[in-house]
Amino acid sequence: RKEVEQDPGPFNVPEGATVAFNCTYSNSASQSFFWYRQDCRKEPKLLMSVYSSGNEDGRFTAQLNRASQYISLLIRDSKLSDSATYLCVVNQAGTALIFGKGTTLSVSS
Amino acid sequence: GAGVSQSPSNKVTEKGKDVELRCDPISGHTALYWYRQSLGQGLEFLIYFQGNSAPDKSGLPSDRFSAERTGGSVSTLTIQRTQQEDSAVYLCASSPPSYEQYFGPGTRLTVT
Repeated sequence: RKEVEQDPGPFNVPEGATVAFNCTYSNSASQSFFWYRQDCRKEPKLLMSVYSSGNEDGRFTAQLNRASQYISLLIRDSKLSDSATYLCVVNQAGTALIFGKGTTLSVSS
Repeated sequence: GAGVSQSPSNKVTEKGKDVELRCDPISGHTALYWYRQSLGQGLEFLIYFQGNSAPDKSGLPSDRFSAERTGGSVSTLTIQRTQQEDSAVYLCASSPPSYEQYFGPGTRLTVT
């Protein structure tokens, strides 16, 4: 079983749509969780950390369910500029981050 | 402020040659990571340095790959006797103790 699994997509949505990405992780000792965004031929950039209580940053909402080892990212009112690959990332203390292979989002007008 | 920098940005080399890739992390970041990413693929972890601890080399694909980090700052990834399958973008990242990683722009390696 892969350590971090994501639906690769692609997710093709119109502008203004709400889209949700899911991610599962296998190691129950994982302590930190993040969503990164990667544009085509660019390096990954931190989108947001994911906290147990859930957190929101503008149109983006991240949720963590430790019992189910599940992380989600919700994007509301999608913009063309949201088109990218979204990477789910987890780690334990003292180890490297483990990246999922990413979910591709394409927002069209 | 200054982010993670990597050099060169692009490297074309002949099969069998050695290459060195450089990473300058963000000042004060204790952790440094190397990944590689082939076209259309996910990130592949290579090696991880944390402070003065022994590096985690578990991701290095073969003994042709090595890395060092001098003085807890700059890191060099060396690939000996390059093969065509080594062609990829090599990404370096650094992080403070909060674990959030910041990536450099990468080095695009092409082995001909």
